[in-house]
Amino acid sequence: KAGVTQTPRYLIKTRGQQVTLSCSPISGHRSVSWYQQTPGQGLQFLFEYFSETQRNKGNFPGRFSGRQFSNSRSEMNVSTLELGDSALYLCASSLGLSSSYNEQFFGPGTRLTVL
Amino acid sequence: DQQVKQNSPSLRVQEGRISILNCDYTNSMFDYFLWYKKYPAEGPTFLISISSIKDKNEDGRFTVFLNKSAKHLSLHIVPSQPGDSAVYFCAAIDDNYGQNFVFGPGTRLSVLP
Repeated sequence: KAGVTQTPRYLIKTRGQQVTLSCSPISGHRSVSWYQQTPGQGLQFLFEYFSETQRNKGNFPGRFSGRQFSNSRSEMNVSTLELGDSALYLCASSLGLSSSYNEQFFGPGTRLTVL
Repeated sequence: DQQVKQNSPSLRVQEGRISILNCDYTNSMFDYFLWYKKYPAEGPTFLISISSIKDKNEDGRFTVFLNKSAKHLSLHIVPSQPGDSAVYFCAAIDDNYGQNFVFGPGTRLSVLP
């Protein structure tokens, strides 16, 4: 069974630009969560999508948004990029909502660098 | 193929006893390991880490042990408290590839009062 895939793996943008990251969950998984990992910090939760609806949202500004398609694939968008947005963005998929203690399987991440 | 495995999806422990969460990895290039704790509807929070040059790291009630020859690490929580009930993720980094995190699927710990 293929794991969680994220594209692209690496991305370099400049301040003010916008970026879209993509995540394909494990086949059959309906929940996709997004996390931001910055140096020296743990994972920070961005949001979770289940059945095309955002179910949970972390404490991030409105510049961070996402969506989920009918095939459970999810995209995350960051507009008006700032230097502090440079991070590793991780996507995790699970059968059901993460709040139901469903196991989450993480993708390899997209490393975003904002110059 | 999972490079980081947590073969126990769940674990139940009595309050005050020791909780031992296990993690196995396959990639010998991993040189830094972390444990995260996750409560429902929240993002994982960093708990404790260990470098491959060490075999033990302790922080309060939490101790992580690393056995490189066996490619195995474990997290010990002593004494366990009901507030420790959460999902625990093991993660590994191959720093040669610029902090490419690989996470295990998690173990749900339930500490019973």
